[in-house]
Amino acid sequence: QKEVEQDPGPLSVPEGAIVSLNCTYSNSAFQYFMWYRQYSRKGPELLMYTYSSGNKEDGRFTAQVDKSSKYISLFIRDSQPSDSATYLCAMSDTGKSTFGDGTTLTVKP
Amino acid sequence: NAGVTQTPKFRVLKTGQSMTLLCAQDMNHEYMYWYRQDPGMGLRLIHYSVGEGTTAKGEVPDGYNVSRLKKQNFLLGLESAAPSQTSVYFCASSYSLASLSGGRYEQYFGPGTRLTVT
Repeated sequence: QKEVEQDPGPLSVPEGAIVSLNCTYSNSAFQYFMWYRQYSRKGPELLMYTYSSGNKEDGRFTAQVDKSSKYISLFIRDSQPSDSATYLCAMSDTGKSTFGDGTTLTVKP
Repeated sequence: NAGVTQTPKFRVLKTGQSMTLLCAQDMNHEYMYWYRQDPGMGLRLIHYSVGEGTTAKGEVPDGYNVSRLKKQNFLLGLESAAPSQTSVYFCASSYSLASLSGGRYEQYFGPGTRLTVT
């Protein structure tokens, strides 16, 4: 079993929809939780960063961490076609991170 | 400030040929990583380095070698390329301690190298 499991997708939603992307993990030592966004034929870029449990909001994006359930989520409100990308969750307790396999999202105009 | 750069961007090799991929970072990061990304399989860690002169195996190290002679550079070598090594290769770097980066362990990725082995 993988240390980090990510909902595989792909997801296709209409513009304006609320999107929920999810990951579960098994290593209770993870304290740093990240979401990366990867556009087609580009390298991943950090989108959201959360330390320990709780919520963090940045514009239309909200990252949620539930350490008791070992579950993290990324919510995208009022989704836009420019949000179409692959989203990777990542977790770390040291400098090295463990990545999920990614969920590909398409937002249709 | 260029961040993480990778050379070359594209390459086609014949089976059995060798090549070296170069990664350079200008952020003074201690940690550097090489990943491969294949459709439906996410990022898989090949090798990584926690400092100049040190390297370690990741999840899929077979068929690859690495060297980190300078802190800013991390080289990935394929000694005898095989079609199974056709992939997109990403280099990344990060701080070793969250205290150095404002409490964050984010990795900074290069633009990738698309390698095809025929």
